[in-house]
Amino acid sequence: EAQVTQNPRYLITVTGKKLTVTCSQNMNHEYMSWYRQDPGLGLRQIYYSMNVEVTDKGDVPEGYKVSRKEKRNFPLILESPSPNQTSLYFCASSSFSGRMSDTQYFGPGTRLTVL
Amino acid sequence: RKEVEQDPGPFNVPEGATVAFNCTYSNSASQSFFWYRQDCRKEPKLLMSVYSSGNEDGRFTAQLNRASQYISLLIRDSKLSDSATYLCVVNANTGNQFYFGTGTSLTVIP
Repeated sequence: EAQVTQNPRYLITVTGKKLTVTCSQNMNHEYMSWYRQDPGLGLRQIYYSMNVEVTDKGDVPEGYKVSRKEKRNFPLILESPSPNQTSLYFCASSSFSGRMSDTQYFGPGTRLTVL
Repeated sequence: RKEVEQDPGPFNVPEGATVAFNCTYSNSASQSFFWYRQDCRKEPKLLMSVYSSGNEDGRFTAQLNRASQYISLLIRDSKLSDSATYLCVVNANTGNQFYFGTGTSLTVIP
């Protein structure tokens, strides 16, 4: 089954304790992305990756890191989480059509609470 | 100015009604447009892409107006199962950044 998986699905942590949210896709997609969703603000792009070893900042990259060492995986790293990073996080992937990334497929989301 | 703006609603409509959502975008060079559906606390899922010529999928019709920089979604004969939040999405002219609207909430009432 074609899918994007994220782990963990729920996480409660404390300020400053490093964490990683994993994302994996089995569709051989070149493009992967991370979003956060907050009430009233919608989904905002954190980082995206066009292929292995190629990553770029989205609209809200501060406080986050990513890596793309393998095509299927795109982990999101919070080196020193703060309460304002409490949010619902989605990973997504898509293929490329010509120059443009195509329809995105989303993971089930990770609900993160930073105390 | 936000890249993408939507009326948040909520829209409460009776079953069988026709409802329309609009979404405006700020970057005239944007090239790809989508409507996604999101059920409460779930991941967004593609409803339909929006093409320049307009496109229809069953009860759903999407339109793009480049001159006025808006996209629209029309839902005919609303079903209870259409209750969800509808997100418009614009792919920036670089092709690699996506901008989401904040979503329009629809509740279809029996």
